[in-house]
Amino acid sequence: DVKVTQSSRYLVKRTGEKVFLECVQDMDHENMFWYRQDPGLGLRLIYFSYDVKMKEKGDIPEGYSVSREKKERFSLILESASTNQTSMYLCASIRVPSTSYGYTFGSGTRLTVV
Amino acid sequence: GDSVTQMEGPVTLSEEAFLTINCTYTATGYPSLFWYVQYPGEGLQLLLKATKADDKGSNKGFEATYRKETTSFHLEKGSVQVSDSAVYFCALYSSASKIIFGSGTRLSIRP
Repeated sequence: DVKVTQSSRYLVKRTGEKVFLECVQDMDHENMFWYRQDPGLGLRLIYFSYDVKMKEKGDIPEGYSVSREKKERFSLILESASTNQTSMYLCASIRVPSTSYGYTFGSGTRLTVV
Repeated sequence: GDSVTQMEGPVTLSEEAFLTINCTYTATGYPSLFWYVQYPGEGLQLLLKATKADDKGSNKGFEATYRKETTSFHLEKGSVQVSDSAVYFCALYSSASKIIFGSGTRLSIRP
């Protein structure tokens, strides 16, 4: 069964810390995405990547960066965590050009910044 | 740009009731359309999809038909169960090579 694995289900960090959220997929998918999910706001795209070492800003990139050194791994980095970054973070991947199968999502990381 | 609008929740129904969650979209061309479901504490799972006009996606008793003329992809189920309680997201694959999601509809089913 194909999988997208996020390294942590729950994470608690202090304000100002540098935070790494890891995502690994075993499907050889080209495109990978990071979303955050907040009540009433749905899913908002932070960053995405079409290929190794490539990245594109999504709708809300401020305060975040990403790294994709290998095809299977896409990391989200919070440079200096703040309380307004408390959220559920979801990683997803998709094969191109067969996009009709949609994304495969990880189980999510619930991050609390205190 | 591309967008998805779905009915706001929460929606509360009794078990065995008929379910409709409305979804309309704005997009260039004819994008693939999806319904995703998110059970409590989990990530999103693909529920069903349709890739062209008049296609009907179906899974687990849920159905949705791709209506080009009304730009809609409404989710329906004839008889809901308590286990269907979840958040449902309508989505489309946009011309910008990413999926655009609606805001989600929370569904609660009473026994």
